[in-house]
Amino acid sequence: IVMTQSPATLSVSPGETATLSCRASQSFGNYLAWYQQKPGQVPRLLIYSAYTRATGVPARFSGSGSGTEFTLTISSLQSDDFAVYYCQHYTYQARWTFGQGTKVEMK
Amino acid sequence: QVLLVESGGGVVQPGKSLRLSCAGSGFSFTTCGLHWVRQVPGKGLEWLAVTSYDGNYKDYADSVKGRFTISRNNANNTFYLDMNSLRAEDTAVYYCAKDAGIYSGLPHDSFDVWGQGTRVTVFS
Repeated sequence: IVMTQSPATLSVSPGETATLSCRASQSFGNYLAWYQQKPGQVPRLLIYSAYTRATGVPARFSGSGSGTEFTLTISSLQSDDFAVYYCQHYTYQARWTFGQGTKVEMK
Repeated sequence: QVLLVESGGGVVQPGKSLRLSCAGSGFSFTTCGLHWVRQVPGKGLEWLAVTSYDGNYKDYADSVKGRFTISRNNANNTFYLDMNSLRAEDTAVYYCAKDAGIYSGLPHDSFDVWGQGTRVTVFS
């Protein structure tokens, strides 16, 4: 399985919307998660089951998609949101594979 | 507070072995699948291994199969990664992570809790 995230780097101004894409080489249902990792920190679960926010995740983070195409949207980007974001299909068939990450940086 | 705390990292020569430990607290350890994930500094996340809640199911990434062994001791809320025949390319930060599912014979849920990471350097 290959998880392809695009773009590799996204330059966004605070207050704008960031749209991150994740494409799987085959469909593994909606067993899709998004994680946020800030520099020097541990990955944090944001979204699971493609669109369900994890506990404590702000509503400006939203997940969508199905099949092989998934999207993470961050609305009204805040300074705290600049980080690297990873998607993952968390199934045996997908070998719990992560995408290569999208870095969201300040424009 | 739900916590995973890794230990055991360090500097080791190629071909040698190392055991990483991950102690869990603040949750029902015996009901959860557990994973190991690594990250080369500046690079992405690589899933390595999983064990089911009861230890009966284990699986490994091809990159470590036959060299690494995952195990767990539910009596002391700790799980392990035994790494043998270490190579320079195994140099990374190693994270343990908790599967969000419970009583799953085949873990298939997101990773909702992560340890702080332990650094392994394979260097001659």
